[in-house]
Amino acid sequence: KAGVTQTPRYLIKTRGQQVTLSCSPISGHRSVSWYQQTPGQGLQFLFEYFSETQRNKGNFPGRFSGRQFSNSRSEMNVSTLELGDSALYLCASSPGGNTEAFFGQGTRLTVV
Amino acid sequence: DQQVKQNSPSLSVQEGRISILNCDYTNSMFDYFLWYKKYPAEGPTFLISISSIKDKNEDGRFTVFLNKSAKHLSLHIVPSQPGDSAVYFCAGTGGSSNTGKLIFGQGTTLQVKP
Repeated sequence: KAGVTQTPRYLIKTRGQQVTLSCSPISGHRSVSWYQQTPGQGLQFLFEYFSETQRNKGNFPGRFSGRQFSNSRSEMNVSTLELGDSALYLCASSPGGNTEAFFGQGTRLTVV
Repeated sequence: DQQVKQNSPSLSVQEGRISILNCDYTNSMFDYFLWYKKYPAEGPTFLISISSIKDKNEDGRFTVFLNKSAKHLSLHIVPSQPGDSAVYFCAGTGGSSNTGKLIFGQGTTLQVKP
């Protein structure tokens, strides 16, 4: 079974631009969640989608948004990028409920 | 408010010995706990989990212990191997406000010396 796939792996953007990151979950998994990892803040929860519905959202500004498609693939978007948005963005998939979440390799975003 | 705490930023052990990584939590709604291993610039790899109805779960060299009264869990790795050197994160979830959400500790860097 293929794992969680995130694209692209690396991205360099300029302040003020927007970016879209993609995540393909493990086949059959309906829950996709997103996390941001920075050296100072650790792994912070962004949001979670289940069957195309956002079920939960972390404490991030509205510039961070996401969506999930009918095939469970998910995208997250960050608009008006700031230097502080530079981080490793991680996507995780799970069947749903209290089960293990499996992470992709992440997208390393650098904002210059 | 840090709901999951890993108070030891780093741990160094000799190959073949036991590694014990600790984690404390404050949220009494947590009913499921997970441990992940992470290398730099990669996604976390799931290791082992435990439900709050259990106090121990084993999988090969990895054992997780849960002490609900103390709100404490630990991961034991026996025997430790150099390939185990990585950052280890514990995470908790549970309660309606945490649907689909894992709350992570800050991580403990484990170094296993040959």
